[in-house]
Amino acid sequence: DAMVIQNPRYQVTQFGKPVTLSCSQTLNHNVMYWYQQKSSQAPKLLFHYYDKDFNNEADTPDNFQSRRPNTSFCFLDIRSPGLGDAAMYLCATSSGQGQTQYFGPGTRLLVL
Amino acid sequence: SQQGEEDPQALSIQEGENATMNCSYKTSINNLQWYRQNSGRGLVHLILIRSNEREKHSGRLRVTLDTSKKSSSLLITASRAADTASYFCATGLTGGGNKLTFGTGTQLKVEL
Repeated sequence: DAMVIQNPRYQVTQFGKPVTLSCSQTLNHNVMYWYQQKSSQAPKLLFHYYDKDFNNEADTPDNFQSRRPNTSFCFLDIRSPGLGDAAMYLCATSSGQGQTQYFGPGTRLLVL
Repeated sequence: SQQGEEDPQALSIQEGENATMNCSYKTSINNLQWYRQNSGRGLVHLILIRSNEREKHSGRLRVTLDTSKKSSSLLITASRAADTASYFCATGLTGGGNKLTFGTGTQLKVEL
């Protein structure tokens, strides 16, 4: 089945230790998104790629970076995680503007 | 401030009853989508309604859109315990490219 896969499902890291979250898709969608969702809050868009074009949200901290080496994969790098970065990180894909977004199961990040 | 505000924040009903959730937004949109999120999981797309549409149905779900009032509602008929989840509206803004902006969400609890 076509899907969006996120690994790992749970990630524990130490304060200040770089961490990478990964997302892959079998939908062959042009657009891939990364959201941060804290407890009982709405998902907040961090950035998205349209093909190789990177689109950063104005309020996304510099601590968050992303890479998309090919259509199928997209990575979220947190260079120096702080306690406030503990959250669920959701990856999503879509075929373009005004289309449905398909979400992965999320990676829950814990920062010690 | 949030583009999408949902009302109520929390809703508790008995199985078999109908559940209605409302979403208000601030700026011009080209589509509005509803998503469901089970606790600790990714989001699942329910319905997409475009700005030139007024009502859509999918199974037990009915969505309305009133662009003059900048509001939408999601009705779940004959609710089941399995409908217990958080429900988010998300707006695709006119000129907003490939992005969605999520509302604050309604937590629905359906009790047996």
